[in-house]
Amino acid sequence: DVKVTQSSRYLVKRTGEKVFLECVQDMDHENMFWYRQDPGLGLRLIYFSYDVKMKEKGDIPEGYSVSREKKERFSLILESASTNQTSMYLCASSPSGKREQFFGPGTRLTVL
Amino acid sequence: AQKVTQAQTEISVVEKEDVTLDCVYETRDTTYYLFWYKQPPSGELVFLIRRNSFDEQNEISGRYSWNFQKSTSSFNFTITASQVVDSAVYFCALGGKMGGTSYGKLTFGQGTILTVHP
Repeated sequence: DVKVTQSSRYLVKRTGEKVFLECVQDMDHENMFWYRQDPGLGLRLIYFSYDVKMKEKGDIPEGYSVSREKKERFSLILESASTNQTSMYLCASSPSGKREQFFGPGTRLTVL
Repeated sequence: AQKVTQAQTEISVVEKEDVTLDCVYETRDTTYYLFWYKQPPSGELVFLIRRNSFDEQNEISGRYSWNFQKSTSSFNFTITASQVVDSAVYFCALGGKMGGTSYGKLTFGQGTILTVHP
């Protein structure tokens, strides 16, 4: 069974903190994605990765960075968290050549 | 640029009613893929269906059915005899032709919150 896990379901951080969100998939998928979900805006792509150590900016990369050192793990980093980064963060993966993405349960991040 | 519009922000129905969720898309690709995902209160998006642009045949799966009309760039989703368990946020998504730098990216609509009351 396809499985994408995220390190935390809920996270509370303070403004200015460095925040790491971790995502792990066990399906040997090449592609991995980070989205943020906000009411009325749907899912917006932050960054994606199509291979180890490879990354591409999505639609809203400002204020975020990513790391993919191993195929199964894709990390989203907020270098200096701000209140406008309070959101639900969703990780997804897909195999090369396929468009169906498989999602993790999400991390609801609150920045105070 | 690709765009997906789900004009219905929220829909509220009573159990056993039929409900249709609208999805309109824009793309310049001649080959593309359309998706519906369900996000229950637990938060995880669940894949429901994929439709290829060259296959306009409608599909039915149990109480779910999908109507794909290229002429109107729409991919609507109907739930027949709705149940409380259908309460969720539903997302329509669009993906272009594979290859190049697309890497399987999807463009999502804003989502429709469906509430089914007992």
